[in-house]
Amino acid sequence: NAGVTQTPKFQVLKTGQSMTLQCAQDMNHNSMYWYRQDPGMGLRLIYYSASEGTTDKGEVPNGYNVSRLNKREFSLRLESAAPSQTSVYFCASNGNVGHGGGNQPQHFGDGTRLSIL
Amino acid sequence: GQQVMQIPQYQHVQEGEDFTTYCNSSTTLSNIQWYKQRPGGHPVFLIQLVKSGEVKKQKRLTFQFGEAKKNSSLHITATQTTDVGTYFCAAGGYQKVTFGTGTKLQVIP
Repeated sequence: NAGVTQTPKFQVLKTGQSMTLQCAQDMNHNSMYWYRQDPGMGLRLIYYSASEGTTDKGEVPNGYNVSRLNKREFSLRLESAAPSQTSVYFCASNGNVGHGGGNQPQHFGDGTRLSIL
Repeated sequence: GQQVMQIPQYQHVQEGEDFTTYCNSSTTLSNIQWYKQRPGGHPVFLIQLVKSGEVKKQKRLTFQFGEAKKNSSLHITATQTTDVGTYFCAAGGYQKVTFGTGTKLQVIP
């Protein structure tokens, strides 16, 4: 049982380049989330998807786009990377049918460590 | 949106000493979750508190939810080197949670 799988694990980009971070979960969860983690800032929500077919902005959405491709997969795209987006990105999932995602434990992937030069 | 303040930001303790981290909100919370993140790892869910005044224990860890459901604490008795990491509280809403800034615990052998 893989849980939440993120790819890639590490990436270095140049300013202005684009890339997509991939996330997949095999727990049949309805809700999926993208966070960024910076030193001293905790985990800040970028975007989330409460269910297949919906996406919503979190606390820090600027510079990012997301796609909920199907129930399993939720991708995060940086269209034009900036040094301020250097961070560790975590994907998480939770929520079974009939339960709001804010009342369920979140399961995290191992993270993507992204550096933008 | 919801904001949760977590203190202290850092804590160094001698092995065997106790440790407490506090989480405070200006608004009433529907639930509070606690996570642990080991260095280089990802956050791992520890527990969820829902009821006013609730106290739950996991071995040496004691979790409390305040009577007004605006604050919570995590207390570790007799810390061990395996307790090293960052502890986060997270305030639960309907569709998402809001994480505190975390308390980084260092245990000196």
